[in-house]
Amino acid sequence: ETGVTQSPTHLIKTRGQQVTLRCSSQSGHNTVSWYQQALGQGPQFIFQYYREEENGRGNFPPRFSGLQFPNYSSELNVNALELDDSALYLCASSSRTSGGDTDTQYFGPGTRLTVL
Amino acid sequence: AQSVTQLGSHVSVSEGALVLLRCNYSSSVPPYLFWYVQYPNQGLQLLLKYTTGATLVKGINGFEAEFKKSETSFHLTKPSAHMSDAAEYFCAVSKSGGYNKLIFGAGTRLAVHP
Repeated sequence: ETGVTQSPTHLIKTRGQQVTLRCSSQSGHNTVSWYQQALGQGPQFIFQYYREEENGRGNFPPRFSGLQFPNYSSELNVNALELDDSALYLCASSSRTSGGDTDTQYFGPGTRLTVL
Repeated sequence: AQSVTQLGSHVSVSEGALVLLRCNYSSSVPPYLFWYVQYPNQGLQLLLKYTTGATLVKGINGFEAEFKKSETSFHLTKPSAHMSDAAEYFCAVSKSGGYNKLIFGAGTRLAVHP
């Protein structure tokens, strides 16, 4: 059983640029959630994808968007980067399917984004 | 709305001493409660979870936590600290069905001294 993977591990961008982060969910999981963890803080929920549709969103502006693909992998896109977007971006996979492990979200190692 | 408060942003213990990390939650529905650990430059690893049933839950690496509804608490304990326990610990709450969004506390950094 493969775990959650994310790419890239590190990324440096400048203000105003756009970035795409990628996540492959754990085998058997059909739900992907994205979190932003600023330095010294707990992770904050950005949004969740299930069946290729956004299924819940936290307090993040529309320039944060995402996709989920038929194989359940996901992308997080951030447009018009701001300095405050510098953070560790975490992807978590889980299952909404009864009979599966619906209780737990499993996290990837994260992508460290630095905006200069 | 749900929220989590972790008392003490930094906790320091001696190797072999009791570890106690405090977590209080607020939830209008029966909560699912989690403790995750984060080692430097890594993602989050699940330590343990409470969903329903037995209120004392055991996790990995000798950690356990007790759900106390009357106190809205879910404190994490370990009888004897090890140097390898030094890390950041996060308490989180979600609505029933753990696939729902997690609301995290601000975290507690645990230092273990020889």
